[in-house]
Amino acid sequence: GQNIDQPTEMTATEGAIVQINCTYQTSGFNGLFWYQQHAGEAPTFLSYNVLDGLEEKGRFSSFLSRSKGYSYLLLKELQMKDSASYLCAVKGAGGFKTIFGAGTRLFVKA
Amino acid sequence: KAGVTQTPRYLIKTRGQQVTLSCSPISGHRSVSWYQQTPGQGLQFLFEYFSETQRNKGNFPGRFSGRQFSNSRSEMNVSTLELGDSALYLCASRFDTGELFFGEGSRLTVL
Repeated sequence: GQNIDQPTEMTATEGAIVQINCTYQTSGFNGLFWYQQHAGEAPTFLSYNVLDGLEEKGRFSSFLSRSKGYSYLLLKELQMKDSASYLCAVKGAGGFKTIFGAGTRLFVKA
Repeated sequence: KAGVTQTPRYLIKTRGQQVTLSCSPISGHRSVSWYQQTPGQGLQFLFEYFSETQRNKGNFPGRFSGRQFSNSRSEMNVSTLELGDSALYLCASRFDTGELFFGEGSRLTVL
């Protein structure tokens, strides 16, 4: 089976840096995604990691350690518009099935 | 390029009825996945279709079914609706095994 854990909620201050962690246990692994979902909207793709290490894309970075079953999403220079849910998702064996964690609701305060 | 389109966006049904939801993927995407999203459970995988074949299925009862047509459009059906089926149903398409592109969802309320 597959299990993906991430914190339920986090709060951070505008301009700060926040790290959202994700741990996973899967029977197969072919990559890890991060998605952002604003309330009432569809999830949108943020990042994809398949090899160990850090992937940087503007204010957002994502890290993966396959041996530890661990990933994090790093958001820098937080803006109010970053208030959203962040979903960690693992692509399983064969690359066909993508399973999501329950998501982390991030609140950015002024 | 048009995004993923889901219809209807909102619908209300009563217990025991059945419902069919439709999804048109991004042009060129042959894979369509369906997810159920509820506040407490997050996104739960229902099934995935590729070239008219179901190649993965989640842990949902047989009341949940789907199909894909030759033009890659997909439908999912829920029969004998229960109150607990109230949720946002999201469809996502992708090219082969890459990132998922989601539609806006169909919000189902069962009374």
